[in-house]
Parts: sequence; C-alpha cells; structure tokens
Amino acid sequence: DTAVSQTPKYLVTQMGNDKSIKCEQNLGHDTMYWYKQDSKKFLKIMFSYNNKELIINETVPNRFSPKSPDKAHLNLHINSLELGDSAVYFCASSQMGNYGYTFGSGTRLTVV
Amino acid sequence: QKEVEQNSGPLSVPEGAIASLNCTYSDRGSQSFFWYRQYSGKSPELIMSIYSNGDKEDGRFTAQLNKASQYVSLLIRDSQPSDSATYLCAVNSNQGGKLIFGQGTELSVKP
Repeated sequence: DTAVSQTPKYLVTQMGNDKSIKCEQNLGHDTMYWYKQDSKKFLKIMFSYNNKELIINETVPNRFSPKSPDKAHLNLHINSLELGDSAVYFCASSQMGNYGYTFGSGTRLTVV
Repeated sequence: QKEVEQNSGPLSVPEGAIASLNCTYSDRGSQSFFWYRQYSGKSPELIMSIYSNGDKEDGRFTAQLNKASQYVSLLIRDSQPSDSATYLCAVNSNQGGKLIFGQGTELSVKP
C-alpha cells in the first residue's frame, strides 16, 4: 500500500511541450505539497494545498499550474517546458500542524 | 544568509564511529525541526523530529536542539555503511505547513 504515489516516475520531453504529474495520498492527510529538488539536492517548495485550497504559492513561473480535485489528490501541469525545468519533483503530504511530511517517490523530469 | 544552512560535505566516517551533522537556521520563531535521510535516487524519509531544547534519542540517532543558538544537530552512533546517504535538515516556517530545507550533507560511512 503506497502512502503517497506519484506518476510518472520518469518523464523525458522536448522543450515547448506540456506535461502533467499526478500525485495521490491514502494517509488521510489534509495538506499536500509540491517540492522541486535541483541537481544539488536542494529542496524548494512550490505549492501547498490544504483541503483543496491553495495556501502556498511560491515564486514559480505561471507555466506551472497545480490543481487539487480533492484532498487526496494534487496534480501539477507544466506548460511550455524549458531546459531549466529539468529536476526531480516531489509530492508530499502531512496533517496541518504536524510537519512530518511523507514524500512520494518523485518524478525525474528531463527536458531536452 | 540562507534560511537553513548545513555543514558542507561530503562527510566521511569509518564504520562504528559517531557521525555528527549540523544545521543552523535564521528564523527565531521556528518551533519544529526535522531530519530527513535521502538515499541516492530515492525520496526523503523522516528519521527524527525535535521540538524542545535538549536531546532526543531514537535508537542510534540523537537529535539536539539549541533554540538560543539557532542550532540543531544529528548524531549517528555506531555508524554503518547503510547510513551512507544525504541528510536534510528542515525547519518549519509560519506559513501554512511549509518546511524549509537545508542543502543537505552527504554522509559516507566506510567499512
């Protein structure tokens, strides 16, 4: 039983394409996050949703658009992909007030 | 100044030794502190959380927190080759569940 599952695990695509990453959690948590990890392993928050409501929107290009259809799902759509978008994207979930995140397995995005 | 800063690695210790990982943070209002372990190609895994000044022990791991000095550390006793990983320090912000991560310290335990 995977607690936080992300798909796809790997994504190789050309510049200018549009792609989506999906995330689902079965932990009953009320808050979900997208983090980006660069090549130096630095993890930086992009978005956070609490009970389907966007609560954190860091300085991220408009080409990135998150969507949370319900509190168990959080998707990330990226338009007009650029070389600099290449990174590992992690979904995570937690219960608000408890910062012990559970991370998904990550999506390694490579833009060529 | 970075919000969460970790001592630069890589850190190499012999098997059986104590590994000491350090982290400083800039926000005096932070209340929750975490250590995550990340194996190469895997996702971060929570190994320790600490909320009060002092030491917290869990098996071979001890987290230490000093809020006055804005300092948190992780000690790994009897280090094993399986402890070789990147260790990420994370600190809460007051912004909706957000965790701020340090850049990580790569630990290598040599047999």
